[in-house]
Amino acid sequence: GAGVSQSPSNKVTEKGKDVELRCDPISGHTALYWYRQSLGQGLEFLIYFQGNSAPDKSGLPSDRFSAERTGGSVSTLTIQRTQQEDSAVYLCASSLTGVNAYEQYFGPGTRLTVT
Amino acid sequence: AQKVTQAQTEISVVEKEDVTLDCVYETRDTTYYLFWYKQPPSGELVFLIRRNSFDEQNEISGRYSWNFQKSTSSFNFTITASQVVDSAVYFCALSEARVNDMRFGAGTRLTVKP
Repeated sequence: GAGVSQSPSNKVTEKGKDVELRCDPISGHTALYWYRQSLGQGLEFLIYFQGNSAPDKSGLPSDRFSAERTGGSVSTLTIQRTQQEDSAVYLCASSLTGVNAYEQYFGPGTRLTVT
Repeated sequence: AQKVTQAQTEISVVEKEDVTLDCVYETRDTTYYLFWYKQPPSGELVFLIRRNSFDEQNEISGRYSWNFQKSTSSFNFTITASQVVDSAVYFCALSEARVNDMRFGAGTRLTVKP
């Protein structure tokens, strides 16, 4: 079956602009995660969704970041008034449920460059 | 708080050598899960293995093997007879039962030279 898909694959934006990143999880996976990977760094947890609700928003780095998930499927990560330090690869993952016994399957990521 | 340490930033080996990637974790929970992921140059993270805290049995899958030792809080990964295609960044990760994030180590970049 299809894996996790993300769009766009690359996004270049000017500082101060808003961007939206999209994630389409594996069908049937109820849990969805967003991570950020800065150049040469590990993965930084941003937010987790179980169904449409986000019980854990603790990783969002600032109030410029927000995310939503509708219909228990597609999720959008929005970054408002982008800054250069937002430049990174944004990874989405999904898993069967939110119980951490299940592995997460990752999408190819969106590479965001803020100029 | 949960934490994962991968002390080896980069490792370079010659093809057919064995190599072990170290992972040390910290957690206060008795129930937790450990993972290894591979990130090849293409960038997409690939799941390799999951181990829960109650199962210390080591696992072998082809050329890959994992050694889980609760006494030393380690979950090391060994590649036997390495191949060029094994070149990638390898991440160890920890997830506690009560929380919903997965903490990743900083990763180890493995380069296998022909």
